[in-house]
Amino acid sequence: LAKTTQPISMDSYEGQEVNITCSHNNIATNDYITWYQQFPSQGPRFIIQGYKTKVTNEVASLFIPADRKSSTLSLPRVSLSDTAVYYCLVGGTGGGNKLTFGTGTQLKVEL
Amino acid sequence: DAGVIQSPRHEVTEMGQEVTLRCKPISGHNSLFWYRQTMMRGLELLIYFNNNVPIDDSGMPEDRFSAKMPNASFSTLKIQPSEPRDSAVYFCASSSLSGTTSTDTQYFGPGTRLTVL
Repeated sequence: LAKTTQPISMDSYEGQEVNITCSHNNIATNDYITWYQQFPSQGPRFIIQGYKTKVTNEVASLFIPADRKSSTLSLPRVSLSDTAVYYCLVGGTGGGNKLTFGTGTQLKVEL
Repeated sequence: DAGVIQSPRHEVTEMGQEVTLRCKPISGHNSLFWYRQTMMRGLELLIYFNNNVPIDDSGMPEDRFSAKMPNASFSTLKIQPSEPRDSAVYFCASSSLSGTTSTDTQYFGPGTRLTVL
């Protein structure tokens, strides 16, 4: 399984755009990139998933360069409620849908 | 949909006792996952099932841990005997593995916080 590396923590202020970058140098051809969000005392929650280029949904955008060795989760205009841990994962059906969670990035949003 | 349901939400037990955690996946999902989360080790995958069949249990820490999925709507994770180092939050997740090349979204339950004294 591809290993991911992401910053341990990030700080931001309300209304700012936050970009969290994840490195996955040994991503496999059939691997997708998925981001989850976890609030304290809750299970992780799916945010967004992509394979290449750019994916956007109502919550975030995911930018994936052509070599796919990294990806960037972009959260537009964060609020206090976006304070959470964000996990970057790579995986595919080759592993039977097995996902490995790293340490994640603790995002703290302040006023 | 009620989402993934786990019970109990909190469990406090004494070392040596048997502990059984329960999970009801989302109806229609054919994959079920058990995770353990601690401050030291983060979120670890223990075992997962596809169509009620255990596919990979390499994350199960030792023989004291066992998991079953007797039908598509129910799974248990049992620890016997329990030890203080088993204290953690245990999450169950389910997904609908469609057989495509995508990694299907996993939906997590609220977790069971286990404390072994």
